Amino acid sequence: QSVLTQPPSASGTPGQTVTISCSGSSSNIGSNYVYWYQQLPGTAPKLLIYRNNQRPSGVPDRFSGSKSGTSASLAISGLRSEDEADYYCAAWDYSLSAWVFGGGTKLTVL
Amino acid sequence: QLHLQESGPGLVKPSETLSLTCTVSGGSISSSSYYWGWIRQPPGKGLEWIGSIYYSGSTYYNPSLKSRVTISVDTSKNHFSLRLGSLTAADTAVYYCARHEGSGWLDPFDYWGQGALVTVSS
Repeated sequence: QSVLTQPPSASGTPGQTVTISCSGSSSNIGSNYVYWYQQLPGTAPKLLIYRNNQRPSGVPDRFSGSKSGTSASLAISGLRSEDEADYYCAAWDYSLSAWVFGGGTKLTVL
Repeated sequence: QLHLQESGPGLVKPSETLSLTCTVSGGSISSSSYYWGWIRQPPGKGLEWIGSIYYSGSTYYNPSLKSRVTISVDTSKNHFSLRLGSLTAADTAVYYCARHEGSGWLDPFDYWGQGALVTVSS
């Protein structure tokens, strides 16, 4: 059971916009930054969004993050086949004194 | 370009200790003010932070694993290491080493190793 809650799966067709949610609590998302990682099949995770809504250099602006209260979302617009991957949200939890992750959302591009 | 590479046994027996090393190339562990960490991922499951270390040796561990974990750094060899004891099958996972983006353990992981699968089985 992950501390952050994500839907196990999401899907969309090319060109569509897909949103993945991440729900936490006051001790993690509610008081700290949210980060998103993309994990392509068979590879290590890659930092996709940092500090709620910032993109590292090289990440397309099709990817955007937002946060409200104790929840966060990752939106992927103009969906492409290469976006098919697992997506994880993460935050520092001051109550647990640990980095916590969501269980991951498997995105399928139909 | 920074590169991280995990190394160590791929098979360990129950009750024994896992030892992994992360060798950093393309940059010096001691010349940069970064924290370095270990994260694991059981097959088909999500990510779990194990702990992080500064080049000076300061460490932060996940409380859920703290009693069994030791992370150390060897700046002369430009690597840091993980030891996890009292292993059970539940410790079977891909173990990743990674760098924290900024100068603190509260910064996200921006560079990752390719991962090393460790199976706990007799």
